[in-house]
Amino acid sequence: GAGVSQSPSNKVTEKGKDVELRCDPISGHTALYWYRQRLGQGLEFLIYFQGNSAPDKSGLPSDRFSAERTGESVSTLTIQRTQQEDSAVYLCASSTAGTVTNYGYTFGSGTRLTVV
Amino acid sequence: SQELEQSPQSLIVQEGKNLTINCTSSKTLYGLYWYKQKYGEGLIFLMMLQKGGEEKSHEKITAKLDEKKQQSSLHITASQPSHAGIYLCGAVISNTGKLIFGQGTTLQVKP
Repeated sequence: GAGVSQSPSNKVTEKGKDVELRCDPISGHTALYWYRQRLGQGLEFLIYFQGNSAPDKSGLPSDRFSAERTGESVSTLTIQRTQQEDSAVYLCASSTAGTVTNYGYTFGSGTRLTVV
Repeated sequence: SQELEQSPQSLIVQEGKNLTINCTSSKTLYGLYWYKQKYGEGLIFLMMLQKGGEEKSHEKITAKLDEKKQQSSLHITASQPSHAGIYLCGAVISNTGKLIFGQGTTLQVKP
């Protein structure tokens, strides 16, 4: 596709339920990143992928969070047993290069997660 | 603690005034990116800096990266209401491509 696509755009879930957030990067982009943004705050790094491998998972807040990427394409971020503090916008970004890219990173519109 | 610190956290300026936002890292940066975000919207790429001492400009916005590649500044000249939003600095901090962001600076421009 022309851009990074995230689904769903909005998700309201009950506390304790599991949720899956999906990211479709730009075709051919080898690097894929997940961030969490709470209201009025910056982007909190969660995890990134180079191809299907995740060199750094240190940003995942707890073992309730996991992510995978298949076919060097779509990625899924799963949150198990959701808590109210998980409420935030989850952003995905992708880029062509493995390290530094001159063209920046393309961000999706995000998934707004609300845990009630 | 934040690996990438932005200051100030928020800024209110009168239209027409100049302003500067700073981004400081405790580590040498492989690449530094500036983004703008309007409330409830996605991130817009502004500029990318990679070489020590590098400076880039786009319209009324200028970004610089210091010689040690640990600090960047974003300068807006003659601010306009359209400049309002959240400015985020992002940095690649490892040779494997890990990209992190500062806390953001919220800019309001009063007409």
